[in-house]
Amino acid sequence: GESVGLHLPTLSVQEGDNSIINCAYSNSASDYFIWYKQESGKGPQFIIDIRSNMDKRQGQRVTVLLNKTVKHLSLQIAATQPGDSAVYFCAETAGAGSYQLTFGKGTKLSVIP
Amino acid sequence: GAGVSQSPSNKVTEKGKDVELRCDPISGHTALYWYRQSLGQGLEFLIYFQGNSAPDKSGLPSDRFSAERTGGSVSTLTIQRTQQEDSAVYLCASSWGRGREKLFFGSGTQLSVL
Repeated sequence: GESVGLHLPTLSVQEGDNSIINCAYSNSASDYFIWYKQESGKGPQFIIDIRSNMDKRQGQRVTVLLNKTVKHLSLQIAATQPGDSAVYFCAETAGAGSYQLTFGKGTKLSVIP
Repeated sequence: GAGVSQSPSNKVTEKGKDVELRCDPISGHTALYWYRQSLGQGLEFLIYFQGNSAPDKSGLPSDRFSAERTGGSVSTLTIQRTQQEDSAVYLCASSWGRGREKLFFGSGTQLSVL
């Protein structure tokens, strides 16, 4: 079936550098995407979302880019901090009123002080 | 409450025993979800409740799994005759139920079946 996946399972970044986490999706009907951050022992925490009528959305230190042509999603974290160390998941859903999010397997981000 | 609350946070049980996991969603949220997260894996959808509608049980892995939601609020996930492969973190989430929206997750219940 169609699913969401990630290019890299682990990512190590020097503190202060920018981080880029990638996600590929295969469902062409997907029209809503979310990035979650999960710290050890906690549930996923919402970071940022984007709808398919946009190709870029910015939050505080984070930017999500959506390329529908190649079905690719990325999360950029500016000036990465030790507190950003976590597992990052992308999730997608399709269709108005749709409720079931499909999650990728996650990328572990480790920030080197 | 301020967030989604789950209990217990950890549960160790013996193979063959039944377990009940509880979820208290954010007040006012009509949608409630259960997901399962195995070690190092993504989140696997289990079941979805929306208001008074019939739940979407399509993600339940076997008939040993069941869930109910009483009064449109608190939900209980029950696993009967637990197996070692049931060991995972069980996450509950809630939302406003409008579709195409972010979910708010609890911290999960870590289930270990010995």
